[in-house]
Amino acid sequence: DGGITQSPKYLFRKEGQNVTLSCEQNLNHDAMYWYRQDPGQGLRLIYYSQIVNDFQKGDIAEGYSVSREKKESFPLTVTSAQKNPTAFYLCASSINRWTNTGELFFGEGSRLTVL
Amino acid sequence: AQSVTQPDIHITVSEGASLELRCNYSYGATPYLFWYVQSPGQGLQLLLKYFSGDTLVQGIKGFEAEFKRSQSSFNLRKPSVHWSDAAEYFCAVGARGSGGGADGLTFGKGTHLIIQP
Repeated sequence: DGGITQSPKYLFRKEGQNVTLSCEQNLNHDAMYWYRQDPGQGLRLIYYSQIVNDFQKGDIAEGYSVSREKKESFPLTVTSAQKNPTAFYLCASSINRWTNTGELFFGEGSRLTVL
Repeated sequence: AQSVTQPDIHITVSEGASLELRCNYSYGATPYLFWYVQSPGQGLQLLLKYFSGDTLVQGIKGFEAEFKRSQSSFNLRKPSVHWSDAAEYFCAVGARGSGGGADGLTFGKGTHLIIQP
């Protein structure tokens, strides 16, 4: 079945450590996104990528980094520069920018807790 | 830039009663509109979407929504809720014309639906 796989589902990190969240899709979608979700805040866009080897900052990119070396993969690194990294992280994809009506397909999310 | 307002943070409804969740958007043209549902600790699932045409759209799980341009609204309705409908509901808007959702959708902050037995 086609879909988006995020791993790990739960992750614990000590302060000062970088962590990388994995996102893989087999939907053959060009565009991929990372959102952060906090209680009462809705979803906020961190980074997005419309095509391989290209990505753009979203609304809250500080303290995060991404790469897009393959169409299927869009990993997110939460760096030690992110002041408040404890959150639920959601990866999503959509078809492409030319025929895209914006519909997003989501993974199951990764919960990061900083100890 | 577009924005979405969901005025109700929490709504409590008795099982079997009707439901309406409110969504208002701000956008200069006709947007793409979506409703997503999220169970605790899970990703978001698409309930329904409006792109064009008939302003009353049907979705999964018995939900429907009506696009009202004059009110900039896209309210979600269900005639009779079930306990399994308890979840978080998100309204979202996408821009038109510049590649659609080229920079992702803009989401409201969500409405938490509680079902009373």
